[in-house]
Amino acid sequence: GAVVSQHPSWVICKSGTSVKIECRSLDFQATTMFWYRQFPKQSLMLMATSNEGSKATYEQGVEKDKFLINHASLTLSTLTVTSAHPEDSSFYICSARDKSGLNYEQYFGPGTRLTVT
Amino acid sequence: AQSVSQHNHHVILSEAASLELGCNYSYGGTVNLFWYVQYPGQHLQLLLKYFSGDPLVKGIKGFEAEFIKSKFSFNLRKPSVQWSDTAEYFCAVMGSGGYNKLIFGAGTRLAVHP
Repeated sequence: GAVVSQHPSWVICKSGTSVKIECRSLDFQATTMFWYRQFPKQSLMLMATSNEGSKATYEQGVEKDKFLINHASLTLSTLTVTSAHPEDSSFYICSARDKSGLNYEQYFGPGTRLTVT
Repeated sequence: AQSVSQHNHHVILSEAASLELGCNYSYGGTVNLFWYVQYPGQHLQLLLKYFSGDPLVKGIKGFEAEFIKSKFSFNLRKPSVQWSDTAEYFCAVMGSGGYNKLIFGAGTRLAVHP
């Protein structure tokens, strides 16, 4: 099956610094990638949708200047949390939609746990 | 706006018990429906999906779900659970067509005791 990887799997950073998370589709091309945030014992909340070569579309309430998304190729999207604060600590999950698929199935990465101290 | 409601937040069962997890959705058009599972420490995996056709869909690991359009429901079932089914289960809905978003329910945490 299709595989999506994320790097790093966990990261600890100091308040005020920036952190970049990578999401790669390993064996398929992803027209669209999604970034979700999951709080403990809660569901996945969609943060933004990114299409290769164009600007990301952010969900209401998500600060686009704080969560920078780049989707430079059909296999790579990055999420940069800028000037991170403790309240940004969370589990970030990316998902990729197969370009060739007719059923628009999304494949999920393993997630990145961010802790801001 | 799309929304997904999962009625049970936490379910505890003994092995061999039957399982049914409720899922209702709100959407003003044709939908695609999904159930995902997240085992402890692992990423989301697709259990099953419904796009069209037979409203009773079978997924992996003995799970099945029935789409009842009149009730806007897509309940997940398994006749006999195992300890290894302990996980969190998410129902999700997406409007049909390629450019719609996948919206998740709050999730149901299932604990199966031996």
